[in-house]
Amino acid sequence: KAGVTQTPRYLIKTRGQQVTLSCSPISGHRSVSWYQQTPGQGLQFLFEYFSETQRNKGNFPGRFSGRQFSNSRSEMNVSTLELGDSALYLCASSQLGAGELFFGEGSRLTVL
Amino acid sequence: EDQVTQSPEALRLQEGESSSLNCSYTVSGLRGLFWYRQDPGKGPEFLFTLYSAGEEKEKERLKATLTKKESFLHITAPKPEDSATYLCAVQSGANSKLTFGKGITLSVRP
Repeated sequence: KAGVTQTPRYLIKTRGQQVTLSCSPISGHRSVSWYQQTPGQGLQFLFEYFSETQRNKGNFPGRFSGRQFSNSRSEMNVSTLELGDSALYLCASSQLGAGELFFGEGSRLTVL
Repeated sequence: EDQVTQSPEALRLQEGESSSLNCSYTVSGLRGLFWYRQDPGKGPEFLFTLYSAGEEKEKERLKATLTKKESFLHITAPKPEDSATYLCAVQSGANSKLTFGKGITLSVRP
């Protein structure tokens, strides 16, 4: 059974640019969550999608957005990048409402 | 707001030296407490779910326990391959999101 796939794995951007990250969940999982991981703050919840609808949103500015497609694949977008957006962005898929999350390996974003 | 505090931040053990990792939490209506393991360069990997005080779960050298205020991850006779960051998370109320602690980095020397 294929795991959660995130692309790209690594990317470097400059301040002011925007970035789109992609996530393909485990087959049959319709819930997708996104987390930001930094050394200082740890894992912080960004948002959760189920059946193309955002169910939950964390305390991040509006520059962070996401969406989910009919095949459950999800994307997140960060606009007007800031240095502080440098982080590992993790996607996780699960059954709806479950705390057992299956994480991808993440997308490592560096903002210069 | 849910809060999770893990201690110590880092722990170094000799192979075979048993120890415990602590996770203290404050939530309104606990739905579940979760332990994850994260290896460098990888995403977290699910280990255990605990739902109520007094519950225990075991897997190989790991045993997780839960009280009303904290959870412990006991590691018995650890091996170098147990070296990783261990994350604790809680889920509460009607909210399905997980609130994570900052993790405990465990190093086991041969």
